[in-house]
Formats: sequence, C-alpha cells, structure tokens
Amino acid sequence: SAVISQKPSRDICQRGTSLTIQCQVDSQVTMMFWYRQQPGQSLTLIATANQGSEATYESGFVIDKFPISRPNLTFSTLTVSNMSPEDSSIYLCSVVGVVLATSTSGTDTQYFGPGTRLTVL
Amino acid sequence: AQSVTQPDIHITVSEGASLELRCNYSYGATPYLFWYVQSPGQGLQLLLKYFSGDTLVQGIKGFEAEFKRSQSSFNLRKPSVHWSDAAEYFCAVGVAGGYQKVTFGTGTKLQVIP
Repeated sequence: SAVISQKPSRDICQRGTSLTIQCQVDSQVTMMFWYRQQPGQSLTLIATANQGSEATYESGFVIDKFPISRPNLTFSTLTVSNMSPEDSSIYLCSVVGVVLATSTSGTDTQYFGPGTRLTVL
Repeated sequence: AQSVTQPDIHITVSEGASLELRCNYSYGATPYLFWYVQSPGQGLQLLLKYFSGDTLVQGIKGFEAEFKRSQSSFNLRKPSVHWSDAAEYFCAVGVAGGYQKVTFGTGTKLQVIP
C-alpha cells in the first residue's frame, strides 16, 4: 500500500475564511478521493479528484464550496471555502490503485490518509 | 445503490473476552466488503477485506470476518480482545469490479474494560 500524508493535521479557523488541505502520496496512484467525517458520524464522500480535469462531486457537494485540484498522480488539494462552524469535521484523503512499473496494485481497496481535523469558530 | 448497517453504536467488552461486531449490507450483486478501524485521532486502517472465495477472511491484529450471503452479513470477530483494540470500527461495501467508491456504515465504537 501507499504512504499517504496530509497537511495540516489540524487547524482552527475563523468563519468566512478558507483552508486548503494537501494530500501527498509516496507513489503514483490511479484514483484519489476526499471524504468528510463530521463529529460522531461516518464518512461521506465529497468528490473524486481527477488528474488534469475537474473533480467529480457527490450529491450535496459543489465545486464553489470545495474546490479540488489534482495536478499529478501523487498530489491533491481540497479547499474548504467561506467556512462556517458546520464545516468543522475531519477531512480524509484516500487513494486506490498504486501504479507499479508494469502493473497497478490494490485497485479494489481504498487506503486512507491520517486526516485533517478542522474546527471553525 | 449499496448501503451498510452497523446496528451497534457502542459496545463494551472486558479485556480477554471475545468480540463480534455486526454488519449488514444491501447490494444487488456480489459486494466487496471491508472492515476499517479508526483509533482516536487517527485515520482509517484497513483490517480485512472480502472480494470472493473463502467466506472466512483473516485480517490484521487477529481479526477475522465471515461473509454470509444468505444473511447479507459480514460480521467482524476477535477471540480475545486487547485494551489496544479500543477504537471505532467501520464496515464498508463497494461495487465489485474495477476502481470503486465505497459506502461506509455509521461505525461501532468499542470500549475495552480491564
């Protein structure tokens, strides 16, 4: 499996501001996803980060609120825009499919980063 | 669309006792099934997964799970719980074949008492 890191690990932000979360993988991966885990809740998929094109958003999530970039096969960012206290959550990056020299492994399993704990005041 | 139900929100067991966490799924075809564990302040770690074949799956940390198609279940078990197993456990179901997104259950929080 790939090693996934996220920055920042946690942050406390003021209402109305924006925060960009970075996800870095130590290997090239086929797919990257962003999830939200609200306090005491399960994980909800925000979007699939597509390399070189616009992300694919799930119902209830829009690009203006959660712009996503994926400039290459190892890196993605999620921005939480114009934050409100309701955006206080853990945001997790996940990946599928580690690209090897002659094949791709782990195409059916998602691996997760450590998460970014966001608190909005 | 697939869905997952974890009927137990919170379970408390004594250290050394056996453990079973319940998971029921809904999906029209053969699902891909996963159990993840999330320790306090940590991301999700994959415990085990079932795609096909032997319905009893062994995972890390001494966990196993059994896929029962007739009951649409994928319960997680451990014969003897350790204090370090205290965490939240998530069952998830994915669509068979190719790259996929998964749907997560609401989680079961495990407390281990001495």
